[in-house]
Amino acid sequence: RKEVEQDPGPFNVPEGATVAFNCTYSNSASQSFFWYRQDCRKEPKLLMSVYSSGNEDGRFTAQLNRASQYISLLIRDSKLSDSATYLCVVGGGSYIPTFGRGTSLIVHP
Amino acid sequence: ETGVTQTPRHLVMGMTNKKSLKCEQHLGHNAMYWYKQSAKKPLELMFVYNFKEQTENNSVPSRFSPECPNSSHLFLHLHTLQPEDSALYLCASSQGSASGAKNIQYFGAGTRLSVL
Repeated sequence: RKEVEQDPGPFNVPEGATVAFNCTYSNSASQSFFWYRQDCRKEPKLLMSVYSSGNEDGRFTAQLNRASQYISLLIRDSKLSDSATYLCVVGGGSYIPTFGRGTSLIVHP
Repeated sequence: ETGVTQTPRHLVMGMTNKKSLKCEQHLGHNAMYWYKQSAKKPLELMFVYNFKEQTENNSVPSRFSPECPNSSHLFLHLHTLQPEDSALYLCASSQGSASGAKNIQYFGAGTRLSVL
């Protein structure tokens, strides 16, 4: 079983839609969780950290479910510019984080 | 700008060439990383340095040779590469072991390598 699993997609949604991605992790000792965004042919950039109580940043909401070992990212009112690959990142006992393979989002007019 | 600079941005080399990729971070971080990302594939961790010591070598072929002279600089020396080594090579830095699990990585823009 892979340490961090994501549905690769692509998720194809119209502008204005709400879309959610899940990511599961296998290490129950994991302590830190992040979502990164990677545009085509560019480097990954931190989108947001994920806190135990859930957190929101504008149109983006991240949640953590420790019991089921998954994190989620909800994007409301999708924009064309949200089209990208969203990478789930999990930090376990080591300081070296583990990246998921990413979920591709395509927002169309 | 993330504070992590990679050069060159693009590199074309023959299989018999020797070249080096350079990464420099201006964030005061203690850990630096090399990743490989092939087309439409996930990130592959190659090497990790923490306080200038190599702590991870993810079964990378010896034709890739990393060097970390100090906490701010990281090199990847390349020799006798194969066409399948063509990929985007990304450097990242972070606080490393000093930050524990809350270890956010910042990436450079990458070097796009083509091996002919």
